[in-house]
Amino acid sequence: RKEVEQDPGPFNVPEGATVAFNCTYSNSASQSFFWYRQDCRKEPKLLMSVYSSGNEDGRFTAQLNRASQYISLLIRDSKLSDSATYLCVVTRSGGQNFVFGPGTRLSVLP
Amino acid sequence: NAGVTQTPKFQVLKTGQSMTLQCAQDMNHNSMYWYRQDPGMGLRLIYYSASEGTTDKGEVPNGYNVSRLNKREFSLRLESAAPSQTSVYFCALSVNTGELFFGEGSRLTVL
Repeated sequence: RKEVEQDPGPFNVPEGATVAFNCTYSNSASQSFFWYRQDCRKEPKLLMSVYSSGNEDGRFTAQLNRASQYISLLIRDSKLSDSATYLCVVTRSGGQNFVFGPGTRLSVLP
Repeated sequence: NAGVTQTPKFQVLKTGQSMTLQCAQDMNHNSMYWYRQDPGMGLRLIYYSASEGTTDKGEVPNGYNVSRLNKREFSLRLESAAPSQTSVYFCALSVNTGELFFGEGSRLTVL
């Protein structure tokens, strides 16, 4: 079993839709949690950190459930520019060892 | 991509050839990483360097060597390239706790 798992998609949604991505991790000692965004043939970029209390950044909301070892990302009012692959990332002990999920591909359609 | 520069951006090698991927940063951070990205696999850590002169193996170090001679540069060397090393390679540095800042990537094809 992979340490970080994601539904690979693709998720094809119309503009304006709400879409949710899920991520599970197997290492209960994981310390920090993030969502990265990667555009086609580009490098990953940090989208947002994920905090235990949940956090929001504009149209994006991230949730963490440590008991279930589950992370989610909700995108509201999808834009064409949201089309990308979304990578779930966790860190192991020491905070420097980043483990990436395989990513979930999103296509927002006009 | 300001801050992390990778060279070359594209390279085609024959099996058995050697090459070095270069990574340089001007952001004055200590921790640097080399990842490879393959379809369906996510990014996998090859090597990591916490500071100048120190390196540690990651998840997939076999077939690679690294060098961190100074704070600014972290190079990845393939001594004898194999088709299984066809991949996209990313250099990254840790700029804050949890944030990795990536270079633009190097696409390597081994025939």
